[in-house]
Amino acid sequence: GQSLEQPSEVTAVEGAIVQINCTYQTSGFYGLSWYQQHDGGAPTFLSYNALDGLEETGRFSSFLSRSDSYGYLLLQELQMKDSASYFCAVRDRGKLIFGQGTTLQVKP
Amino acid sequence: NAGVTQTPKFRILKIGQSMTLQCTQDMNHNYMYWYRQDPGMGLKLIYYSVGAGITDKGEVPNGYNVSRSTTEDFPLRLELAAPSQTSVYFCASALGGTNEKLFFGSGTQLSVL
Repeated sequence: GQSLEQPSEVTAVEGAIVQINCTYQTSGFYGLSWYQQHDGGAPTFLSYNALDGLEETGRFSSFLSRSDSYGYLLLQELQMKDSASYFCAVRDRGKLIFGQGTTLQVKP
Repeated sequence: NAGVTQTPKFRILKIGQSMTLQCTQDMNHNYMYWYRQDPGMGLKLIYYSVGAGITDKGEVPNGYNVSRSTTEDFPLRLELAAPSQTSVYFCASALGGTNEKLFFGSGTQLSVL
């Protein structure tokens, strides 16, 4: 089976940097994805890592270490609009399994 | 392109009733998924499909059925609705292969009373 662990809540101030960690266990592994979901909305894709290392997309970066079964999402120059839930997800063949999500609260 | 379209947006069912949640995508995506999300929780995979005619169970398939007769459509059938099926249901699609980006529909809020 698959399991993912991420912190349930993170709080940070506007302009700061925050890191959301994700550890996973899965019988097969193809890659780690990150999604953002605002209250009442649908999840939207942020990033995907299939190989070890850092992927950067604007203010957001995502990191993967396959040997440690670990990844993180790094959000820089936090803005109020970044307040949302963030989910990591692992692909195991055709399945895409999501973690429980981390609620990020950005304070002024 | 409309993307992923789900209908209805809201529905109230009585215990024991049945219904079908519709999902269609116009992006010619191979992969399609159904997830449910309970309040404050993550998304749980119900069923998925890697192409027309191919479906497989996810994490929480009991009480649901799916079919994939065309690339575009992936309906989710609830038989004998139960209060435990009260949730928000999301349909999603992806091109597949090395393209990992899932596109989600806007969701269906279902209450079973």
